[in-house]
This record gives sequence, C-alpha cells and structure tokens, in this order.
Amino acid sequence: GENVEQHPSTLSVQEGDSAVIKCTYSDSASNYFPWYKQELGKRPQLIIDIRSNVGEKKDQRIAVTLNKTAKHFSLHITETQPEDSAVYFCAASSGGFYSGGGADGLTFGKGTHLIIQP
Amino acid sequence: SAVISQKPSRDICQRGTSLTIQCQVDSQVTMMFWYRQQPGQSLTLIATANQGSEATYESGFVIDKFPISRPNLTFSTLTVSNMSPEDSSIYLCTVGTNYNEQFFGPGTRLTVL
Repeated sequence: GENVEQHPSTLSVQEGDSAVIKCTYSDSASNYFPWYKQELGKRPQLIIDIRSNVGEKKDQRIAVTLNKTAKHFSLHITETQPEDSAVYFCAASSGGFYSGGGADGLTFGKGTHLIIQP
Repeated sequence: SAVISQKPSRDICQRGTSLTIQCQVDSQVTMMFWYRQQPGQSLTLIATANQGSEATYESGFVIDKFPISRPNLTFSTLTVSNMSPEDSSIYLCTVGTNYNEQFFGPGTRLTVL
C-alpha cells in the first residue's frame, strides 16, 4: 500500500517569512495530492491540491509543487501570518476521475506543526 | 461543497460497550470514507463506504470491530464495537467527489473509560 512521509514534524518561522513542508510517497499509481490544515479542535480543511498531470499550482500565498519522477511534493506558504499557525497534513490517493473509476481513500503523512512567531 | 454533519459530536463510553456514529450529508454522494485520528496523531483510513456495495476495510480494521452501514446516498453509520480505551479517538467521515477531493465532517470525539 501507499506510504507517505512528511517533514519536518515541527516548523517555526518568523511572521512574514516563507514556510516549506515536504512529503514523499511510495506508490507510483497515486495521482492526487491534497494538503489539509487542521486548527486545534477543528476538522481538517482542504487548502490546496494537485493532480499528477500538473507540476505546480498556486492559490494566493499558497503553492504546491509535484515531482512525479522523484515521488515528492511540497507545500509553500509565503508571507506567513499568525493565522497560518496550525497542523498541516499532506496526503495521497489514486483512482478517481483521471483513472475513470471511484476515488480511493487518502493516505496521510504524520503532519507538520507550523508555528508562526510574531 | 456538501454540508456534512455527524452525531454525536462527542461521547464518553464504558469499555465493552458499542457506539454508533452517524454521518449525514445534505446532497447525494457516491463515495464516503471513515477515518480515525488518535490523540495528537495523523488520520488513518478505516474503510470506504460506497452506496450499493459492501464497505471495504483497510489493513488493521475488521468488520466485526467497525461495522459500517450505507443505506442511501446521504447517510452512513460507523459502529465501534466492544470498545477499549485504545479506541479513544476522533472519528471522521468524509465525502468524496468525482475529482478526488474529500471534505471532512466535524468529527466525533470518543473517550472510552
């Protein structure tokens, strides 16, 4: 089955600086890579995702890159703000729209606790 | 996106008992999934609950312990059977879209004494 590794486990950055979280996956059949943000006591929220036919995707201060050959993908947050403080999870799955079938469940990384220092 | 609700939001149960968690969606969805998040940990897929077929369980999870129902396209239940303190977790359902996105319900926080 799929295995997703996520680093670092904790990341502390100064407000206004950039943060980068990296993940690797093992299953070459994986084609969908979402990132979730989870604030304390709340449900995970999907913040951005990327599919295997795209190398990079950006949404305002957040971007995700994917290297299929190396089987790794990264989350980039620029101009960090205090409200960015949370736990971030990467995940991977296969199937779904691009393979013509139902989507598979997600395999998650262990999470990164992002701390924005004022 | 779909509005997802779960009941109960939290519960405290005695070991050896069972709890059924409900997941309700405000629109018809084919794909639903159940996850567990143990305290301070990541999320682990328990099973896929697609309407019209038996639930598919991940390694380490069995139907006798976590029976799942999916009677229609807007509802699913997960039962945690014969509970032990190790079952204390947050249990979350998700709904999937045809484009692979999954959106989480609010979760059920279970404490087993």
